[in-house]
Formats: sequence, C-alpha cells, structure tokens
Amino acid sequence: GAVVSQHPSRVICKSGTSVKIECRSLDFQATTMFWYRQFPKQSLMLMATSNEGSKATYEQGVEKDKFLINHASLTLSTLTVTSAHPEDSSFYICSASGAAFNRGQFDQPQHFGDGTRLSIL
Amino acid sequence: DQQVKQNSPSLSVQEGRISILNCDYTNSMFDYFLWYKKYPAEGPTFLISISSIKDKNEDGRFTVFLNKSAKHLSLHIVPSQPGDSAVYFCAVGYNFNKFYFGSGTKLNVKP
Repeated sequence: GAVVSQHPSRVICKSGTSVKIECRSLDFQATTMFWYRQFPKQSLMLMATSNEGSKATYEQGVEKDKFLINHASLTLSTLTVTSAHPEDSSFYICSASGAAFNRGQFDQPQHFGDGTRLSIL
Repeated sequence: DQQVKQNSPSLSVQEGRISILNCDYTNSMFDYFLWYKKYPAEGPTFLISISSIKDKNEDGRFTVFLNKSAKHLSLHIVPSQPGDSAVYFCAVGYNFNKFYFGSGTKLNVKP
C-alpha cells in the first residue's frame, strides 16, 4: 500500500525559531499534498492544499506567511512554521494523494503520515 | 463554520455489542465520505469509505451507512472488540480531493 513518511516526529524548540516539517510519498507520485493541524481533543483542521509545482491553497484563517508550504517535487512537500510561538504548538499531519488514488489503485483518496508534534517553549 | 460534526465526543460499549458512531454534514455537494481511526500521536488510519451513489458499504465488522437526505452518516462496528478502542473521525469531501474532518468520537470497548 501507499506509504507517506513525515519527519521529524517531534520537535521542541524556542520561541522565534522557524521549523521545517517534511512529508514524503515513498512509493507513489503525490500530485497533491494536504497539511492538517490538530489541537488536543479537537478535529483535524485542513490548513492548506498543495499541488506539485504550484502555490499552495490556504484555508480561510490560515496565515500564508506564517505557514510556508513548498511542493517542489512529486514526492516531497514541506511545511515551514516561521518564527514559531507557543500558540503554534500543535500536532501537524500531512497526507498525500495522486493519480494512482483516482484510478482506484488504492482504497482511500489520501494517505496520511504519522504526524509531527511541535512544541514551542 | 463547521462543515462536519460528530456530536458525541465519547462512546462506551461492551465487548461483543454493536458500536454506532454518527456524523452530520452541512453541504449537500459532498460526494465522498470516509471513516478513520486514530491513536494519540499517530496519523489517522483509513477504515472504510462510501460514495454518494451508495447508501451502505460493508467491510468485515465495519459498515458505513449514508443518508443523503438527512446529511448523515454512521459507522457500525459489530461485534465490538477492545482493540477497537480509539478515536474515530469521519471525513467528507468532494471531487475526491479536499476533505473536512469531524471532531472525533472516542470509543471505549470494555472487555
């Protein structure tokens, strides 16, 4: 089945630091990647959708300059939390989708990474 | 504005009995629906899906029911097992692309 790798799994850093999270599709071409954020005991909130080679589409209320998304290749998307502050502490999860999903080769439309726990001190 | 709601934050069921998890959505344009299972600090694990052209989909112990007129879907787990204890999220989307998640229901299956 499809495998999505997310790195790092946990980050602890000081306020003001910029943090980069990577999301890789290991065995398929991910034309689209999604970034979610989850607060404790709350839902997965879609932050943005990124298509390979083009600018990400951000959901309402998500700061583009705060959460920089790059999807430069069919296997890699990155989320950079710029000048992170304690309120940015959260669980960030990526998911990936591609033509293989749409052709019905997989039984789900997107495959998730294992998430990154970001803690800003 | 929440597109998807799971009104029960938690559910406790005895082993062997049926677990019923519910999900309501607001937009009739949604045409694909999924259920995920999630453990803390892990990504969601796909369970089962249904498209808007169906009203029922079954996979082993898991059955998803879709009521389009009521904009409601449910997940039935029969029989429930202790290993099913987790947080369950429904997700809804359209064009097989962007999906929105409910707030989750924590299921506890008691031995």
